[in-house]
Amino acid sequence: DAGVIQSPRHEVTEMGQEVTLRCKPISGHDYLFWYRQTMMRGLELLIYFNNNVPIDDSGMPEDRFSAKMPNASFSTLKIQPSEPRDSAVYFCASIRTLFTGELFFGEGSRLTVL
Amino acid sequence: QQPVQSPQAVILREGEDAVINCSSSKALYSVHWYRQKHGEAPVFLMILLKGGEQKGHEKISASFNEKKQQSSLYLTASQLSYSGTYFCGTEEGNTGKLIFGQGTTLQVKP
Repeated sequence: DAGVIQSPRHEVTEMGQEVTLRCKPISGHDYLFWYRQTMMRGLELLIYFNNNVPIDDSGMPEDRFSAKMPNASFSTLKIQPSEPRDSAVYFCASIRTLFTGELFFGEGSRLTVL
Repeated sequence: QQPVQSPQAVILREGEDAVINCSSSKALYSVHWYRQKHGEAPVFLMILLKGGEQKGHEKISASFNEKKQQSSLYLTASQLSYSGTYFCGTEEGNTGKLIFGQGTTLQVKP
């Protein structure tokens, strides 16, 4: 079975541009998580979904960030407009049921905002 | 509430042991441990549920003291492959909301 798939792997953009990160969770996994990783703040939980419904978005930093999950096999994280401080690695992760064990992470999307 | 990990960094020689601690100011439902190699995604090591259990994974084991809101990861007879950053993740209720600590960087030298 394929793992969690994220795209793009690397994104370089200029301040003010819109950025869209994409994630395909593992088939059959009911929960999907978006994390952001930086040296300063570590791994931050941004938002997570259960059966395509957002459960907790308290970690979303600002209104510039939005996330959607239109169906069980696809989620997006959008930043509009982007700022240099948004530069980070964004991870998507999924799990089948509520903490039966392993959270499966994608390989991450490295975002650089100039 | 982000859990606090200690130490921030550890340097070992092959064969030496290490302990990484994770503590929270809130009551915990579960504690999770992950390892991340440079440039890669975090990889699951183990999960501990409240009840004070201890788990093992080859030479890596962990304990969870829910009364003290603490967990410890024990690495025995470390190998070069153990190098990486170790994260604890805590869950305050059975909600799925997993919050990670800042990480502990472990370097094992020959």
